[in-house]
Amino acid sequence: SQTIHQWPATLVQPVGSPLSLECTVEGTSNPNLYWYRQAAGRGLQLLFYSVGIGQISSEVPQNLSASRPQDRQFILSSKKLLLSDSGFYLCAWSVGSSGGQFFGPGTRLTVL
Amino acid sequence: AQSVTQPDIHITVSEGASLELRCNYSYGATPYLFWYVQSPGQGLQLLLKYFSGDTLVQGIKGFEAEFKRSQSSFNLRKPSVHWSDAAEYFCAVGAWAGGTSYGKLTFGQGTILTVHP
Repeated sequence: SQTIHQWPATLVQPVGSPLSLECTVEGTSNPNLYWYRQAAGRGLQLLFYSVGIGQISSEVPQNLSASRPQDRQFILSSKKLLLSDSGFYLCAWSVGSSGGQFFGPGTRLTVL
Repeated sequence: AQSVTQPDIHITVSEGASLELRCNYSYGATPYLFWYVQSPGQGLQLLLKYFSGDTLVQGIKGFEAEFKRSQSSFNLRKPSVHWSDAAEYFCAVGAWAGGTSYGKLTFGQGTILTVHP
């Protein structure tokens, strides 16, 4: 069966510090991968998606970037965090056109 | 572009009562529709999905949803709510980009369900 991991689970970082969040998927090949941000009291905002290694599409301009160095690894990064980057970050995967995305446990990021 | 509206931000029901969470979507073609549940501090879990065929779909945990094209709705129902159902529920509509396998989901703002004993 497929599983998706995210780490760290929680992170507290000062403003201006770098960020690296990692997501890995097991039990599937060539997944589509997604990064979402969920701010308090708001829905999910799609940040990035990837259909293959090295292929990244950005949905919204922001202070963040994403990379996919391996088939089942998706990384969310920032060179300098802003207060507004605080939130709950969710990674998800899907395969083929059967639809439905499957989410990881999330990372709670607090920028102070 | 597709959009999803969940009119109810917060719903409170008594344990054992029936539940209906509303979802209205906007999409130019036949939509792919989903319901997810999220417990506090957790990721989202897929409850059920609709692609085509029977408009009444069954999901996990005793949930079901009915697709009504004429009303652009995909409401989630459960005949008898359990205390463990307290969570936030998200409706989503999917769009698939032609022959690619990429599928973008647009989520509603969520409905928080509180269950009273």
